Amino acid sequence: DSGVTQTPKHLITATGQRVTLRCSPRSGDLSVYWYQQSLDQGLQFLIQYYNGEERAKGNILERFSAQQFPDLHSELNLSSLELGDSALYFCASSARGGQGSYEQYFGPGTRLTVT
Amino acid sequence: GDSVTQMEGPVTLSEEAFLTINCTYTATGYPSLFWYVQYPGEGLQLLLKATKADDKGSNKGFEATYRKETTSFHLEKGSVQVSDSAVYFCALSEDQTGANNLFFGTGTRLTVIP
Repeated sequence: DSGVTQTPKHLITATGQRVTLRCSPRSGDLSVYWYQQSLDQGLQFLIQYYNGEERAKGNILERFSAQQFPDLHSELNLSSLELGDSALYFCASSARGGQGSYEQYFGPGTRLTVT
Repeated sequence: GDSVTQMEGPVTLSEEAFLTINCTYTATGYPSLFWYVQYPGEGLQLLLKATKADDKGSNKGFEATYRKETTSFHLEKGSVQVSDSAVYFCALSEDQTGANNLFFGTGTRLTVIP
């Protein structure tokens, strides 16, 4: 158990709908990262938040947005869903590891199916 | 930009066989390098890491050495077990402290048969 929790575990919805994925980082971790894992694109970085502020953006669509709240949990909002958005969405949080490195710890993921 | 190229799978080995999964990278700076493992139905777990050239990361019998001259970070294990069956991802982080996001390879599925 990494200490990162994600809800829900599975989500099935229709095209055009909007969903919210939730992530709680490990206790004490200030950074939250969102990744998308799909068969055709592999594992791709979407966005990072650090202590409530957006830190970095990757291949995140304009239909997607995220935020990090004062209690450090994060939500990823996906709107106007398309079939191609079906994927596994991972949240990770980072903590300082040995030798000054920050290791990322991953949650179990939310599997989104768009029908 | 930064990228990771990983050996295509799937790889099938007999128990106690030697494992090598190749990984090469392209980066503009001095990246940290990682191997993550994903067991069926689970999230990614950090297997090992190396933060500078010539560092060797090791864990659970797996090893990988950060080779700057060949831009490689190949994963090895001397004797695989059935429980090692999983998908293995090579990844890099551009910032040497590893604080930045990870760039992943495509993953290599390993199946170990008894």
